[in-house]
Amino acid sequence: QQPVQSPQAVILREGEDAVINCSSSKALYSVHWYRQKHGEAPVFLMILLKGGEQKGHDKISASFNEKKQQSSLYLTASQLSYSGTYFCGTPTSGSARQLTFGSGTQLTVLP
Amino acid sequence: DVKVTQSSRYLVKRTGEKVFLECVQDMDHENMFWYRQDPGLGLRLIYFSYDVKMKEKGDIPEGYSVSREKKERFSLILESASTNQTSMYLCASSLPRKTGGNTGELFFGEGSRLTVL
Repeated sequence: QQPVQSPQAVILREGEDAVINCSSSKALYSVHWYRQKHGEAPVFLMILLKGGEQKGHDKISASFNEKKQQSSLYLTASQLSYSGTYFCGTPTSGSARQLTFGSGTQLTVLP
Repeated sequence: DVKVTQSSRYLVKRTGEKVFLECVQDMDHENMFWYRQDPGLGLRLIYFSYDVKMKEKGDIPEGYSVSREKKERFSLILESASTNQTSMYLCASSLPRKTGGNTGELFFGEGSRLTVL
């Protein structure tokens, strides 16, 4: 079952902050985050493996709340280059061989 | 630099035609995947393979088949294309995730946009 992402789309100005949420109806053991710029391949941002773990990538960070079965991606002081579609992916099974992705959040950063 | 190459960026086919989408990776990855990307639906897994000649169904395998004869190559086959298979198809590869080691990060190709008329 697909994780649920919110919001579906967000528009912000350069320098503003944004939060993208990803929640699952089943137990989560890990969460992947990817970004896809327009016309390009999705690119891995980070993986969160433990409950409460937080990771960072430039000014993009994420948290993982195992108990609430959700993860949040935080974009701080957004840059134009942050524009794109963000996907969270969660393991389909315990083997974690395959990921099920959310429907994506389209982020547009305006000058 | 790691690379996943999809043979065709754009294809236009007729209903009923057989369609082959080819994907090659140069990273010696065990796992390879085919996803379909549609607006509002995100990335949906069609098939994946964790070894040569091995394949497993993903979430939406109906109407598709795959072939993996060599480790570096994973092909998606549409036996008889239909208009509802018009979509963007993304191939990806990864190493298995290991505790304390590899994250299982997916490396994606740039996609093949298929239009079925």
